[in-house]
Amino acid sequence: DGGITQSPKYLFRKEGQNVTLSCEQNLNHDAMYWYRQDPGQGLRLIYYSQIVNDFQKGDIAEGYSVSREKKESFPLAVTSAQKNPTAFYLCASTMRYDNQPQHFGDGTRLSIL
Amino acid sequence: GENVEQHPSTLSVQEGDSAVIKCTYSDSASNYFPWYKQELGKGPQLIIDIRSNVGEKKDQRIAVTLNKTAKHFSLHITETQPEDSAVYFCAASIGTGTASKLTFGTGTRLQVTL
Repeated sequence: DGGITQSPKYLFRKEGQNVTLSCEQNLNHDAMYWYRQDPGQGLRLIYYSQIVNDFQKGDIAEGYSVSREKKESFPLAVTSAQKNPTAFYLCASTMRYDNQPQHFGDGTRLSIL
Repeated sequence: GENVEQHPSTLSVQEGDSAVIKCTYSDSASNYFPWYKQELGKGPQLIIDIRSNVGEKKDQRIAVTLNKTAKHFSLHITETQPEDSAVYFCAASIGTGTASKLTFGTGTRLQVTL
């Protein structure tokens, strides 16, 4: 079955620790996205990538970093510079054409210990 | 940038009744409007979308209407069922020839009661 796999489902971070969230897709999509979801708020864009080896900052990129070395993979690093990382993180992908639907994974919930 | 407002934030209806969720957007250049359903602990799933060259689209019990002049679009669910209970998000994007960036509303929690 084609889809987007995010791992782990739950992640706990200690103060000052960097962690990496995984996102893999087998939909052959060119574009991938990372969103942050907080209670009572919509999804906010962290980073996105249109093609391999290229990515752009979204609306809330501070304290996060990404890489796009393979078409299938778009990992998100949450660094110690992100002072309030507790949130639900969602990865999405889509075809690289105008206004195609984004398909989402089932998210990673990150909490601070 | 684009701003999307969504109302109401919570909505409770009885099974079999209709539910309507409304969104407004700020950028008149927006031309794609998807709606997503999110169940607890899951990622959002696309339920219906509409492009700016269409005023209405229907898929079984779900319909979306778009008023470009007023810059608002609405989700209509008829004959609601308990499994419709979830959080619904609207979104808007401006097509630029490549993959689009979506701006999301803040969500509506729909509860369908028996």
